[in-house]
Amino acid sequence: AQSVTQLDSQVPVFEEAPVELRCNYSSSVSVYLFWYVQYPNQGLQLLLKYLSGSTLVKGINGFEAEFNKSQTSFHLRKPSVHISDTAEYFCAVSARGGSARQLTFGSGTQLTVLP
Amino acid sequence: DAGITQSPRHKVTETGTPVTLRCHQTENHRYMYWYRQDPGHGLRLIHYSYGVKDTDKGEVSDGYSVSRSKTEDFLLTLESATSSQTSVYFCAIRDISEGNTIYFGEGSWLTVV
Repeated sequence: AQSVTQLDSQVPVFEEAPVELRCNYSSSVSVYLFWYVQYPNQGLQLLLKYLSGSTLVKGINGFEAEFNKSQTSFHLRKPSVHISDTAEYFCAVSARGGSARQLTFGSGTQLTVLP
Repeated sequence: DAGITQSPRHKVTETGTPVTLRCHQTENHRYMYWYRQDPGHGLRLIHYSYGVKDTDKGEVSDGYSVSRSKTEDFLLTLESATSSQTSVYFCAIRDISEGNTIYFGEGSWLTVV
């Protein structure tokens, strides 16, 4: 089984400042890792994913994340945020070759970008 | 866009009434899921399907049933709705050609009064 911990439930940041949303996971097997973004009253949109290869992955809207296997982390970063980045962000993990139910989400981080 | 359509998008119903939410996909994906989202709980898996007539329970399946008679449709039924089932329900598909990436529908907002 896997588990995901998003270390911050709320992250306020000023516009044009950098931001990091933290995600740690635990798993007894190798995993795929994902970040999703959810704008108010909308569904979840895939932001980026790590499947294999380079540990630094780039996603939409200028976000990137780095997979750190030794620290079992997959932190999300953006060098300069905009007001439009205000949303809730979810980290998720899926076991490689696992059964159909093996997708686990963190509890989410609300990013609020302040003018 | 993974071709997922949920209906209805919004519904208000009374306690004790049955409710069915429909998820329709157009890309022939084998795996389909129903999640619910509640403040402080993130997304929790209700039921999932790994093929026509093949379904299994998730972590919060009590009070819910599902059916999948066709590849493209996955139905979630609340046999007798309760106020604790007021939530946002998301259907999802798994694209096994993309490292098991999960794609979500737009959600169904259900209020049980």
